[in-house]
Amino acid sequence: DAGVIQSPRHEVTEMGQEVTLRCKPISGHNSLFWYRQTMMRGLELLIYFNNNVPIDDSGMPEDRFSAKMPNASFSTLKIQPSEPRDSAVYFCASSLGLERIGGYTFGSGTRLTVV
Amino acid sequence: DQQVKQNSPSLSVQEGRISILNCDYTNSMFDYFLWYKKYPAEGPTFLISISSIKDKNEDGRFTVFLNKSAKHLSLHIVPSQPGDSAVYFCAAKGNAGNMLTFGGGTRLMVKP
Repeated sequence: DAGVIQSPRHEVTEMGQEVTLRCKPISGHNSLFWYRQTMMRGLELLIYFNNNVPIDDSGMPEDRFSAKMPNASFSTLKIQPSEPRDSAVYFCASSLGLERIGGYTFGSGTRLTVV
Repeated sequence: DQQVKQNSPSLSVQEGRISILNCDYTNSMFDYFLWYKKYPAEGPTFLISISSIKDKNEDGRFTVFLNKSAKHLSLHIVPSQPGDSAVYFCAAKGNAGNMLTFGGGTRLMVKP
């Protein structure tokens, strides 16, 4: 198993541009999470999906952020328009079911820099 | 309002000594706690967990202690090794859903 795959690994973009981050969860996992890591706030949960359905998006900072999961093997996190304060490392994680604790598997993250 | 807090952003320990990482939480509905370890340029990886019905869980060099009355947990690593140098995140789960709330992390440096 290749694990959770995120792309791109690094993204540098100009303020105002649209940014799309991609995630492929582990096959068979039915929960998917997007986290953001910053120095000030550590790891923040942005949104999570269960069986492709968004369950909690209360962590999404603003309307500029949106996430989709069109199928069980793919999710995107989009920022439009991007701002310098969005610069952070964005992690995607997946897990199997609601009872499998410890079963979060994280991707390697996308380091986003907005200039 | 951070429900899970790691008040020490960094910790430096000599190789062979004990490392103690601390975590405090405010939500009494949390019923499961985990520690994750993160190396640079990698995602966090699960290390050890503990249910709220227990006060200790041990796995090799790693032991997690839970003090529910104080809403405090700690991770003990003994003996510490240079390869343990990483950022450690404490996380907690409520009794509904599968979401984890993470602390801000503690950077552990084990010096040879």
